Amino acid sequence: DAGVIQSPRHEVTEMGQEVTLRCKPISGHNSLFWYRQTMMRGLELLIYFNNNVPIDDSGMPEDRFSAKMPNASFSTLKIQPSEPRDSAVYFCASTLTDTNYGYTFGSGTRLTVV
Amino acid sequence: AQSVTQPDIHITVSEGASLELRCNYSYGATPYLFWYVQSPGQGLQLLLKYFSGDTLVQGIKGFEAEFKRSQSSFNLRKPSVHWSDAAEYFCAVGASGGYNKLIFGAGTRLAVHP
Repeated sequence: DAGVIQSPRHEVTEMGQEVTLRCKPISGHNSLFWYRQTMMRGLELLIYFNNNVPIDDSGMPEDRFSAKMPNASFSTLKIQPSEPRDSAVYFCASTLTDTNYGYTFGSGTRLTVV
Repeated sequence: AQSVTQPDIHITVSEGASLELRCNYSYGATPYLFWYVQSPGQGLQLLLKYFSGDTLVQGIKGFEAEFKRSQSSFNLRKPSVHWSDAAEYFCAVGASGGYNKLIFGAGTRLAVHP
């Protein structure tokens, strides 16, 4: 298995632009999580999906952030418009709900908004 | 609500010395507990997990952790540290049952002196 795949690995964009981060979970996993990591705030859970349905988006910082999971093998996190304070590493993770599987994380997308 | 406290932000040990990283959690029921390691520029790798049963769990890379319900702790240990263990370590708690969202501690950065 290739693991959780995130793209792009690095993204540099100008303030005000739209940014789309992508995630492909492990095949067969039915829960998907988006986390943001910064020096100041550590790892924050932004949103998570179960069976492609958003369960809890209370961690999404603002309306500028949105996430979708159109099918079991793909999710996106979109920021529109982007701001410098959105600069962070964004991780996607997946697991199989209600099992003793671990959570598998992707390698992350390092976003820099200038 | 779930929460995790890692009291030590930075720890420095000599190569070959023993290691203990502390983790305290808050959760009303039986938690799922995890330790992850993150090397610079990398994603999070699962070291070990506790769901139930034996309170001493073995993980990869020679790590182990002990669940102590009375102390709400899940400390990570290694008898002899290698230079390659230098990284950041995160403790996480997940709800048993339900959608198992993970809440992370702030992390402990480990430095290893030769």
